[in-house]
Amino acid sequence: DIQMTQSPSTLSASVGDRVTITCRASQGSFTWLAWYQQKPGKAPKLLIYEASNLQSGVSSRFSGSGSGTDFTLTIDSLQPDDVGTYYCQHYNSYSWAFGQGTKLEIK
Amino acid sequence: EVELVQSGAEVKKPGESLKISCKGSGYNFTSDWITWVRQMPGQGLQWMGTIDPSDSYTNYSPSFQGHVTMSVDKSINTAYLHWSSLKASDTAIYFCGKLSGGYSSSWADYWGQGTRVTVSS
Repeated sequence: DIQMTQSPSTLSASVGDRVTITCRASQGSFTWLAWYQQKPGKAPKLLIYEASNLQSGVSSRFSGSGSGTDFTLTIDSLQPDDVGTYYCQHYNSYSWAFGQGTKLEIK
Repeated sequence: EVELVQSGAEVKKPGESLKISCKGSGYNFTSDWITWVRQMPGQGLQWMGTIDPSDSYTNYSPSFQGHVTMSVDKSINTAYLHWSSLKASDTAIYFCGKLSGGYSSSWADYWGQGTRVTVSS
């Protein structure tokens, strides 16, 4: 099975910063990757699908890139409401695999 | 408006059975797959499996195969997750999600609010 590894595990940044979260797959070559934001006690929220497509209604400050085994989520001009945990997720016809999550905090 | 509404929190004892639900509205329920995801206390998201509401075809994670059962009732647009014998380690929040686009190799564009399950003697 494909394993997804995110880095860093925790991230502290200031309002207005640009932050980057990376996600690496253990094998394969694909663009079947999504990014979700989760706030405490809430359901995940889809941000990006197919590695680089912005979900409708999501701020354009969020962007995704990558293909193959290495992927990146970038948040421009960090806002206080961006705090939460971010997960990458690989999907195919047979299985899903989540990264372990990156907890984003505001300094 | 697409919405997934899950059943309420449950407190059970080890060995008891449980079925939680996820009711879809605002879209054609049989067109899009449903997924279930577990989140244990303080932990990340774990994929449990997906089900096609049109024919109840299921795909389980090996980690959950044999311990839970996914099902649907198309007549009431509802998906279910069932345990026949709960363990303390099943204590978690369970989320259902709707996959986008009508196929299994897809992402979840809508999610239920989660059902908290507590298993304790």
